[in-house]
Amino acid sequence: QKEVEQNSGPLSVPEGAIASLNCTYSDRGSQSFFWYRQYSGKSPELIMSIYSNGDKEDGRFTAQLNKASQYVSLLIRDSQPSDSATYLCAVNQRDSSYKLIFGSGTRLLVRP
Amino acid sequence: AAGVIQSPRHLIKEKRETATLKCYPIPRHDTVYWYQQGPGQDPQFLISFYEKMQSDKGSIPDRFSAQQFSDYHSELNMSSLELGDSALYFCASSFTNTEAFFGQGTRLTVV
Repeated sequence: QKEVEQNSGPLSVPEGAIASLNCTYSDRGSQSFFWYRQYSGKSPELIMSIYSNGDKEDGRFTAQLNKASQYVSLLIRDSQPSDSATYLCAVNQRDSSYKLIFGSGTRLLVRP
Repeated sequence: AAGVIQSPRHLIKEKRETATLKCYPIPRHDTVYWYQQGPGQDPQFLISFYEKMQSDKGSIPDRFSAQQFSDYHSELNMSSLELGDSALYFCASSFTNTEAFFGQGTRLTVV
């Protein structure tokens, strides 16, 4: 079992729709959770961080964390074609750990 | 705002040669991470440093070594290069283990 799991997709949504991306992690002691966006051949770009249970909203993005279910999600509202990219979930397992582990990413396609 | 700087951006080496990749973290960031990303794959954690000390190790081959210097820049040294080492190599920096920001990467091609 991978430490961080994501559905590889592609997830295809029409322009203007809500895209929902999901991630599960195996280490119950994980403390910090991040979503990165990566365009092909480019470096990962941080879009959201979340540290406590619940929702965190930033513009069109909402991150949701449920530590009991070991589940993190990212909602993208009013999806735009420019949102088409691979979305990587990353987990930092413990406070004393400097080991940011990535999932395999979900490819999102937003259809005009 | 200052970002993570990596050099060189592109590197072509022959098999069995040695390569050195450099990373300059964001000022005041005390943690550096190194990742390897092959085509169509997620970033694989190699190694990290916190306050110039090695912190965690991932799937880093014995042929690779890394260190963080007194000015917080880091170098990844890769010896006896193999064709399979061809990949994008990313460095990221953070303040402790909060949000990590990535550099633009070094594309290594081994021929």
